Formats: sequence, C-alpha cells, structure tokens
Amino acid sequence: EVQLVESGGGLEQPGRSLRLSCAASGFTFDDYAMHWVRQTPGRGLEWVSSITWNGGTTRYADSVKGRFTISRDNAKSALYLQMDSLRVEDTAFYYCVKDSVVGAMLYWFDPWGQGTLVTVSS
Amino acid sequence: DIQMTQSPSSLSASVGDSVIITCRASQSVSNYLNWYQQKPGKAPKLLIYAATSLQSGVPSRFSGSGSGTDFTLTISSLQPEDFATYYCQQRYSTPTFGQGTKLEIK
Repeated sequence: EVQLVESGGGLEQPGRSLRLSCAASGFTFDDYAMHWVRQTPGRGLEWVSSITWNGGTTRYADSVKGRFTISRDNAKSALYLQMDSLRVEDTAFYYCVKDSVVGAMLYWFDPWGQGTLVTVSS
Repeated sequence: DIQMTQSPSSLSASVGDSVIITCRASQSVSNYLNWYQQKPGKAPKLLIYAATSLQSGVPSRFSGSGSGTDFTLTISSLQPEDFATYYCQQRYSTPTFGQGTKLEIK
C-alpha cells in the first residue's frame, strides 16, 4: 500500500523558514515524479511545486518561485519542501502527492498524503 | 493560468439520485482534465483522469465526459459515501483546480 507521510509543519513567523518532509513507502519511489499541493479554505487547492523522478527538473507556482525549493532523496524515499521568506498567505495544509505514471510528470495527483498544516503568523 | 470554474458550488441530493457536476476551463485543455473527491478531514482522491477514464478501484457509478473547455462528472445512483466535495483539475498547462462542488445529503 502506498503511504505518504508529511511532517515539519507548524507555526512560524513571516519571513522565517520551514522545511517540510514526506516519507514515502509502498512503491518504488525513484520511478515517480512527486508534487506538493496546498489547500486553504479561502483559495482552495493550489499546486505548489513538482520534481521529476531523478530530481533533474523542478517546477514552481509563481506564488512561491524564488522562495520555496523542492528536493528529493531517492535513497531515503523522501521528498522535501524548503520554505523560505514565509508569508501569511502561505498558511495552508500542504500535501505530498505522487504522480500516477512511471517516469513522467503528468500531474495526475494520486495518491495524496494526509497533509501537514503550516501557519504563518506573527 | 487557466481558470477552472465549477458549477454548482453546492448541491443537495438524495441517496439513489443521479447528479451532474460541470467544470469549465477558461481555454481549451483538450482532455487533460482530472476529477477528485474529498471527504471532510481527508486528502483528495483521484476519481477520473483524462476526462473520461476511471481510476482503478473507483465505482462505475462515477463517469466523466467532455473535452476542450466543458466537462462533466456524473454520479449515478448516489450512495451515502458519495457525499463529499468534488474538484476538477486541468493539467494542460500549469495545473489548476476548480473551486469545488460540495455534494450534500437532502
């Protein structure tokens, strides 16, 4: 069974940093692109960032470009999101998500982790 | 970015009913359209990909149609476990989601 378990969320002040982690199991991690998607009651679901199976290509939403960095450690089956220069509007549930197709970045988001809450507030 | 607009935003129906949820893209997304179901306190779950293909394990009462800019998700013979929020998502370009349709029990 595929499992994605996020950690690292919490309360942080604007301008500070947080690092989210996602521990993956139940599948061959280095076969798949991975993504971060966030959700707020006000803005709904928002794609944040993606990384190919080998980390060779990364993509970011304009809202986080230059502030967030996605990375992966295939030896540890782990996905990360380094979040710098946090803003109040980054407050959201952050989901770690697996792509559905081996070797491709198709943005077929399935499955999703249970999410970790990031709150940015002074 | 491509804007995705769902209608209605909320919907009340009874067990056994059939419902249709629509999703309109601000420009053509071909068939690069997915549907997700989200239950309270849970993560979204992929139901349909490529506009019409049922994800493995999803009951056949769910179906999708459409291409270009207009898409529908049909749920026939509603079951108690189907009451949830449904989202469309395009992957033709930078992925974007609809605002969601909340399906409630009448």
